[in-house]
Amino acid sequence: GENVEQHPSTLSVQEGDSAVIKCTYSDSASNYFPWYKQELGKRPQLIIDIRSNVGEKKDQRIAVTLNKTAKHFSLHITETQPEDSAVYFCAVSFSRGGADGLTFGKGTHLIIQP
Amino acid sequence: SAVISQKPSRDICQRGTSLTIQCQVDSQVTMMFWYRQQPGQSLTLIATANQGSEATYESGFVIDKFPISRPNLTFSTLTVSNMSPEDSSIYLCSVPWGAQYGYTFGSGTRLTVV
Repeated sequence: GENVEQHPSTLSVQEGDSAVIKCTYSDSASNYFPWYKQELGKRPQLIIDIRSNVGEKKDQRIAVTLNKTAKHFSLHITETQPEDSAVYFCAVSFSRGGADGLTFGKGTHLIIQP
Repeated sequence: SAVISQKPSRDICQRGTSLTIQCQVDSQVTMMFWYRQQPGQSLTLIATANQGSEATYESGFVIDKFPISRPNLTFSTLTVSNMSPEDSSIYLCSVPWGAQYGYTFGSGTRLTVV
């Protein structure tokens, strides 16, 4: 089955700096790559996603890049703010036709230092 | 996006008993997914609930332990059977939303087995 590796497990950055989280996957047939933010005690919330026919997508301070050849994708957060502190999960959808379940990375605890 | 109502939000159960978790969506969806999130861990897909047919279980999860019902396109239940303390987790349902294949999560059920 699909294997998703996420790094780093913890990331501490100064407020205003950028944060980058990277994920690699194993199944070259995967075609959907979302990122979720989970605050303590809350459900995961989709913050950005990308599909295999696109190399980069940006939404304000958040961007995702995808390298299908190398089978990795990254989340970029610029101008970090205290409210960005949370656990971030990458995920991959394995193609079995139609809408398929997600395989998640182990998560990155992002800490924004004031 | 879809609005998902999940209940109960939390429960404390005795070992050896069973708990049924309900997930109601405000619109018809073909696929519904059930995930487990163990304390401090990532999300793991348990099974895909298919309307009109048996659920499809992921490796490591079996129907006798996690029976699933899907009577219609807006509702599903997950039962955690013969519980042990190792079953203490958050259980979440999820649905894909529209052609964009974004996945929305329910608010989760926090289960503690004592």
